[in-house]
Amino acid sequence: GDSVTQMEGPVTLSEEAFLTINCTYTATGYPSLFWYVQYPGEGLQLLLKATKADDKGSNKGFEATYRKETTSFHLEKGSVQVSDSAVYFCALSDRTGNMLTFGGGTRLMVKP
Amino acid sequence: DSGVTQTPKHLITATGQRVTLRCSPRSGDLSVYWYQQSLDQGLQFLIHYYNGEERAKGNILERFSAQQFPDLHSELNLSSLELGDSALYFCASSVGAGLNEKLFFGSGTQLSVL
Repeated sequence: GDSVTQMEGPVTLSEEAFLTINCTYTATGYPSLFWYVQYPGEGLQLLLKATKADDKGSNKGFEATYRKETTSFHLEKGSVQVSDSAVYFCALSDRTGNMLTFGGGTRLMVKP
Repeated sequence: DSGVTQTPKHLITATGQRVTLRCSPRSGDLSVYWYQQSLDQGLQFLIHYYNGEERAKGNILERFSAQQFPDLHSELNLSSLELGDSALYFCASSVGAGLNEKLFFGSGTQLSVL
C-alpha cells in the first residue's frame, strides 16, 4: 500500500537557519503530495501541495518540489523563524482523493 | 480557526465503555473525514463521508462506527474501549470529495482510556 517516510525529529535550528525536512513516498500511480503543519494544541493546516511531477508548491517561504524520479517531496525554507516551530507532516492522496496517508511527522524547534 | 468544530475537547473514560465524538464541518463543506493520531501509529485515516454517504474506509476497527447526519455533522462512536484506543481524534472537512481537496482540520478530541 501507499506509504510516506519522513526524517525523524526533533530538528532544532537557530533562527534564520536553512531548513530541510526530507520526505519520500511509495505509491501506485501519481499521487498528489502535501505538507501539513500542526502548531501546539491545534489541528493540522495545509502548508503547500503539488499535484504532478516537477510541480513546486510554496507558501509562507516554504517550498517543496514533486520529484517523481526520486519519489521525494522535501520541504525547504531559507530562513526559519521561531514562529515556525511546529510539527510538519508530509502526506499523499490516494487516487480517489478520499484519504490521505501521512508520514510520522517531524518536530521542528527554532531557537532565537 | 479552521471553522471545523469538534466536541468534546477532552474525554476521559474507562476500558469497556462507549463514547461519541462529534464534528461539525465548515459551513458549506459536504465531506467529513476522521483521523486518529497516536504515538505509536501516527496519523491514521479512519473513514470519509460525503453528503451523508460513506465514501472510504481506512484502518477503522469494527468496534468503531461513524455516520454523517442530514445537517452534515458527523459522529464517531467508539465502543468496548481499550487502553490502546487512547489517542487524539481529528475531524476534517472539505467542500467536495474529489482529488486535491483542501482539508480543514478541527482541533481534535483527546481521548484517554484508563
